[in-house]
Amino acid sequence: DAGVTQSPTHLIKTRGQQVTLRCSPKSGHDTVSWYQQALGQGPQFIFQYYEEEERQRGNFPDRFSGHQFPNYSSELNVNALLLGDSALYLCASSRWTGGLSGANVLTFGAGSRLTVL
Amino acid sequence: QKEVEQDPGPLSVPEGAIVSLNCTYSNSAFQYFMWYRQYSRKGPELLMYTYSSGNKEDGRFTAQVDKSSKYISLFIRDSQPSDSATYLCAMTEDTGGFKTIFGAGTRLFVKA
Repeated sequence: DAGVTQSPTHLIKTRGQQVTLRCSPKSGHDTVSWYQQALGQGPQFIFQYYEEEERQRGNFPDRFSGHQFPNYSSELNVNALLLGDSALYLCASSRWTGGLSGANVLTFGAGSRLTVL
Repeated sequence: QKEVEQDPGPLSVPEGAIVSLNCTYSNSAFQYFMWYRQYSRKGPELLMYTYSSGNKEDGRFTAQVDKSSKYISLFIRDSQPSDSATYLCAMTEDTGGFKTIFGAGTRLFVKA
């Protein structure tokens, strides 16, 4: 059973460019969350998608946008890249239980490491 | 002030030692408490998950939550070199809390 898969694994961009990162959730999962992890820091919540809608968003600017497709896969787009956007971008999937039986326990992919020069 | 505080370490212990990892938090709405382990160049993986206050044990791992003190702990008994990783505490609010808040992570090294 494949877990969460992310692509690309590594990429290098220059300031001002745009990037698209992709994520396929674990089989049976319907919710996708994106996190940014800077070096030596814990993951920071960017946003969460469920039923193709952005359900909640963290403290990230509008340059960060996303999409969820009918097959539950997801994309993270970052426009006008800044040096500070260099980080590991983690996709995490979960199965929404309606909030009645515990927290959304996350299954993470290995991440996409973005370097902005 | 960060919602979740965690000492980044690094923490270095000999094989077989008992390891204690801790986090404090400020948001009293947190109800679910998790510990994730992250190996180098990998994504975090869930180790333990507890609801509200109390203890939970799973093999060599014990998680404790003290909501009155806003303090959570993870204990690792008989630590092994394979336990060397970054340990992240994580928390989420009760029903409707979709985002998970992570601590900065503690780097643990277990020496053979």
